[in-house]
Amino acid sequence: DQQVKQNSPSLSVQEGRISILNCDYTNSMFDYFLWYKKYPAEGPTFLISISSIKDKNEDGRFTVFLNKSAKHLSLHIVPSQPGDSAVYFCAARGSGGSNYKLTFGKGTLLTVNP
Amino acid sequence: DAGVIQSPRHEVTEMGQEVTLRCKPISGHDYLFWYRQTMMRGLELLIYFNNNVPIDDSGMPEDRFSAKMPNASFSTLKIQPSEPRDSAVYFCASSFDPHTDTQYFGPGTRLTVL
Repeated sequence: DQQVKQNSPSLSVQEGRISILNCDYTNSMFDYFLWYKKYPAEGPTFLISISSIKDKNEDGRFTVFLNKSAKHLSLHIVPSQPGDSAVYFCAARGSGGSNYKLTFGKGTLLTVNP
Repeated sequence: DAGVIQSPRHEVTEMGQEVTLRCKPISGHDYLFWYRQTMMRGLELLIYFNNNVPIDDSGMPEDRFSAKMPNASFSTLKIQPSEPRDSAVYFCASSFDPHTDTQYFGPGTRLTVL
């Protein structure tokens, strides 16, 4: 039973346009959400995160939006660049003292075409 | 800092053989995580350590899997005996404090069991 779902295995956009990657979760105990980016033959690297007390977090070209009522979050990349081509993983963490377990989605392969 | 170091990067073995994967976390990080990535299940947490002590091993799939952390700078994940379904990419990650800090991933070990 997948608690974090990324329903689009792949996404292709043109350079300069907006990329929108989506993520849904089912566990209402999740209170912290992260996006990781992964290039081939490398480990995932942290990109941006958001706490459940917020509905938006921005870092340069990257913005994450959280809709708690819909249990949905999205990552916006504006403008998209060819170097953004990678697999993007959505991850979630539950609340509670020592709960450091991250639950990941299966990832979305983003291709940014020049 | 060299980041999280994993060895070997690739491992090909035959069914029934013992496999040992190694990880050196970032110096000063008290938390170490082992993940497995497969097409079917995505990226899933196997076990994590805090100050060299295993905290949560609920993700370890079977008794054939074992993990140790004899000191703050070294951890192993062992599979004995290995089976073809263990073929996956295994990642190690470390963190200073995963409650406030992100997890830093190593490049992974691609394991193929024939």
